[in-house]
Amino acid sequence: AQKVTQAQTEISVVEKEDVTLDCVYETRDTTYYLFWYKQPPSGELVFLIRRNSFDEQNEISGRYSWNFQKSTSSFNFTITASQVVDSAVYFCALSERGYSTLTFGKGTMLLVSP
Amino acid sequence: AAGVIQSPRHLIKEKRETATLKCYPIPRHDTVYWYQQGPGQDPQFLISFYEKMQSDKGSIPDRFSAQQFSDYHSELNMSSLELGDSALYFCASSSLAKNIQYFGAGTRLSVL
Repeated sequence: AQKVTQAQTEISVVEKEDVTLDCVYETRDTTYYLFWYKQPPSGELVFLIRRNSFDEQNEISGRYSWNFQKSTSSFNFTITASQVVDSAVYFCALSERGYSTLTFGKGTMLLVSP
Repeated sequence: AAGVIQSPRHLIKEKRETATLKCYPIPRHDTVYWYQQGPGQDPQFLISFYEKMQSDKGSIPDRFSAQQFSDYHSELNMSSLELGDSALYFCASSSLAKNIQYFGAGTRLSVL
């Protein structure tokens, strides 16, 4: 069975600090997809990134970067120079095969203070 | 770019009433998913449709049913509502080519 663990329930930082959100996953499939979604206080779920199990390249997009390591079953998300607008709940998610449902972690609430 | 449209955004119902939630997927997306998110919880998968046929089923109560219509919009029908059904209900859509689920803004259902 698939499982996603986000051990950090809540993180508080001050603006301009760097912050890393941890995600550990479990799956028996060799082909799977990992995702990060952002849920701001307004409630919508915003897609941030998708990574497939064959692509361990790290990715950087502006202030966001993702580190995927199959050896430790982790897919961590770093925000550099955090901003107040980054305050949200961040969900890591897994789908075990193409075109399947998402299993979400419990989410990490990030609070960025001015 | 067009996004997933859900209606209504907010819905208030009494216990034992029925509710219908609607979802209009992104154009040319062939799969629709429904998720339920309780307060402070992560989204839980309910049901999905691919090309108008049910493709997967999660923890959807028997009191709930859903379908996808010929124009690809989907409806989630909920009967005999209970207090515990109060939640945020998301619809998402994806295409076979990209396998990324894009979510609508959600319908917040309150059962009183």
